[in-house]
Amino acid sequence: DTEVTQTPKHLVMGMTNKKSLKCEQHMGHRAMYWYKQKAKKPPELMFVYSYEKLSINESVPSRFSPECPNSSLLNLHLHALQPEDSALYLCASSQNRDLYGYTFGSGTRLTVV
Amino acid sequence: AQSVTQPDIHITVSEGASLELRCNYSYGATPYLFWYVQSPGQGLQLLLKYFSGDTLVQGIKGFEAEFKRSQSSFNLRKPSVHWSDAAEYFCAVGATDSWGKLQFGAGTQVVVTP
Repeated sequence: DTEVTQTPKHLVMGMTNKKSLKCEQHMGHRAMYWYKQKAKKPPELMFVYSYEKLSINESVPSRFSPECPNSSLLNLHLHALQPEDSALYLCASSQNRDLYGYTFGSGTRLTVV
Repeated sequence: AQSVTQPDIHITVSEGASLELRCNYSYGATPYLFWYVQSPGQGLQLLLKYFSGDTLVQGIKGFEAEFKRSQSSFNLRKPSVHWSDAAEYFCAVGATDSWGKLQFGAGTQVVVTP
């Protein structure tokens, strides 16, 4: 298995809702990442997990809450989002933080209404 | 701080013509360089990457890129463009001391005309 699987592919949520994005890989990778991509813009890093511990938080608002329950799974919990948070959320993984085997998922397209 | 510049926001090319997309980086350490392609509404697809070794890198879909350390460049080329190559192209840079972070350029939109 050489894929990063993200679910759901599309999500529409209200500003008072709580939802979660899921990312899964079975490549034995020990580093996992969340990126955010606004329309017509490049992806921007949000969080880095290394060996299931949060290594980097790029000053992301607390309404985004990441979680890494095990080495194969990465979640992004969403609460009280704003319409400007609408974007494509991409998950990625690599063998370690050394960038080998860097693989992106196909993303979750989030719309906040 | 690391940075990546893609000087061309938009390129229009005729089908069958050659394509070259420019990427310049600024990084103190040895960079790891990537080219990704993204079709509308889709995720990122890796075209090729350079970590070390031969500076001319072959990728998927007939693309190649050349790493030129002296010019801090990693330009992407394709000899003959197909209509299906119309997409957004991103250059990205990382390093072993970047904690896994990839820094992306702003992207180049490629339009292919008949």
